[in-house]
Amino acid sequence: EVQLVQSGAEMKKPGESLRISCKGSGYSFTNYWIIWVRQMPGKGLEWLGRIDPSDSFANYSPSFRGHVTISSDKSIDTAFLQWSSLKASDTAMYYCARYDIGKAGLFDFWGQGTLVTVSS
Amino acid sequence: AIQMTQSPSSLSASVGDRVTISCRASQDIRDDLAWFQQKPGKAPKLLIYAASSLQSGVPSRFSGSGSGTDFTLTITGLQPEDFATYHCLQDYDYPWTFGQGTQVEIQ
Repeated sequence: EVQLVQSGAEMKKPGESLRISCKGSGYSFTNYWIIWVRQMPGKGLEWLGRIDPSDSFANYSPSFRGHVTISSDKSIDTAFLQWSSLKASDTAMYYCARYDIGKAGLFDFWGQGTLVTVSS
Repeated sequence: AIQMTQSPSSLSASVGDRVTISCRASQDIRDDLAWFQQKPGKAPKLLIYAASSLQSGVPSRFSGSGSGTDFTLTITGLQPEDFATYHCLQDYDYPWTFGQGTQVEIQ
């Protein structure tokens, strides 16, 4: 069974660092890209970026480049989203999803989401 | 960046209705468009990919059409479980971009 399991909810203070994770199972992790999506409270979906776990190459949305880092470790079938200095405006639900390189648009499995709350 | 304009932002409908949601791209994106359904507190669920391909397991009352700049998601015979928010996403060019979402409410 294909699954993407994300790490648990986080409560942080502004300026702190954070890394959340997305672990794939039930499939060959390096054969699919992982994307990250943000959803701020009561708002729509925003694409942060994507990573190819086979070579860890990532693309970022200009809106997030320089503020977040997307990485992966294929030895543990896990992708990561990290911040070095959180802001209150980073408060949101973050989702990862699998992207089938061979079939454009096939975002077929999603993680359950990680809620990040940043507050002083 | 390619802008995706989704309309309407919300609509009210009754069980059994035919519902259409539009997504317009600011430039030609071929058929590189996906549609998702999202219910409160849940992750998005893929309905349609490549503009018109129905994802496995998704009921056939959902259909997608369009290419280039204009796309439509149609629900034929709205069911109680279809009341949710719907999002489009283009993966033609970076940065990939979502529409603003359409909330489908019970009339």
